[in-house]
Amino acid sequence: GAVVSQHPSWVICKSGTSVKIECRSLDFQATTMFWYRQFPKQSLMLMATSNEGSKATYEQGVEKDKFLINHASLTLSTLTVTSAHPEDSSFYICSAITGPYGYTFGSGTRLTVV
Amino acid sequence: QQQVKQSPQSLIVQKGGISIINCAYENTAFDYFPWYQQFPGKGPALLIAIRPDVSEKKEGRFTISFNKSAKQFSLHIMDSQPGDSATYFCAASGTYKYIFGTGTRLKVLA
Repeated sequence: GAVVSQHPSWVICKSGTSVKIECRSLDFQATTMFWYRQFPKQSLMLMATSNEGSKATYEQGVEKDKFLINHASLTLSTLTVTSAHPEDSSFYICSAITGPYGYTFGSGTRLTVV
Repeated sequence: QQQVKQSPQSLIVQKGGISIINCAYENTAFDYFPWYQQFPGKGPALLIAIRPDVSEKKEGRFTISFNKSAKQFSLHIMDSQPGDSATYFCAASGTYKYIFGTGTRLKVLA
């Protein structure tokens, strides 16, 4: 089946630094990927839709300059959290469309900003 | 119109019992209703999904019941096992953009 690989699985960074999270489709081409954020014991909140070769579409309330998304190839989308602060600490999950109504999630990245 | 309401927030079931989680939606444009299972520290994994042209779908111990007129759907886990302890999310989709429910934390007691 379709596999979405997300890396790293966890990361700790200092406040003010930037962190990059990668999301790869391993055995299929993903023209569209999605980035979600999940706070402890809460649901998944869609942050943005990443489209290969074009600008990402951000959901209302998501800071475009803080959460930079790049989808430069059909198998890779990256989320960069810029100038991270403790309030950015969260679980970030990507997903990709794998077919008609098919949707596969990555394993998630736990970001802790200290 | 974009909300998916999920209940209960948490559920405790004895081993062998039936776990029932309910979801309701408002947007009639939704035409795909998946359920996801998520273990701590992991991404959600698709459990079972249904389209509105059927009223029920069963896969092993998992069954989705769908009521189009009431705009409600539910997940039934038969013979619940401790390994089923996880958080379950319903979702609704019309154009690949998923709207997730708030999640149900299920604990199955051994």
